[in-house]
Amino acid sequence: EVQLVESGGGLVQPGGSLRLSCAASGFTFSSYWMSWVRQAPGKGLEWVANIKQDGSETYYVDSVKGRFTISRDNAENSLFLQMNSLRAEDTAVYYCARRSSSWPYSDYWGQGALVTVSS
Amino acid sequence: AIRMTQSPSSLSASTGDRVTITCRASQGIGSYLAWYQQKPGKAPKLLIYAASTLQSGVPSRFSGSGSGTDFTLTISCLQSEDFATYYCQQYYSYPLTFGGGTKVEIK
Repeated sequence: EVQLVESGGGLVQPGGSLRLSCAASGFTFSSYWMSWVRQAPGKGLEWVANIKQDGSETYYVDSVKGRFTISRDNAENSLFLQMNSLRAEDTAVYYCARRSSSWPYSDYWGQGALVTVSS
Repeated sequence: AIRMTQSPSSLSASTGDRVTITCRASQGIGSYLAWYQQKPGKAPKLLIYAASTLQSGVPSRFSGSGSGTDFTLTISCLQSEDFATYYCQQYYSYPLTFGGGTKVEIK
């Protein structure tokens, strides 16, 4: 059974940093692209970033470029999102998601981690 | 970025109704479209990909159609467990973008 479990969320002040982790199990992690998708409170879904199987390619939404970094550790079956220079508008539930083997839609999602940026 | 526009933003329906949700892309995306269902407090769940291919395990009352810029999600006979918010997503090009969502509520 595919499982994705996020951790590392919490309250952080504007301008601060936070690192989210996602522990993957139930599939060959190193064979899949992975994604982060976020959802602000009461709002819709927003794709944040994708990373290739070996980490050699990454893509970001413009609003986080230069501030967020997606990375992975295939030996540990883990996905990460380093978030720097956080802003109030980054407040959201952040979902870790597995990209399908063929195209960049997400076929499995974690339960999400809440990040709140507030003073 | 490709803009995805869903309509309606919400609808009220009864169990057994046929429900149709539309999604329009700001430019042609072929069939590179997925539909997700999200219930309150839960993660999204993939329903359909490639505009019309049902994800494994999804009931056959869900169907998708369309290509290019105009797409529809149809629930043929609404069940109680189908009351949720539905999102379309284009994966034709980066940045990947979602529609604003359609909330299906009980009439």
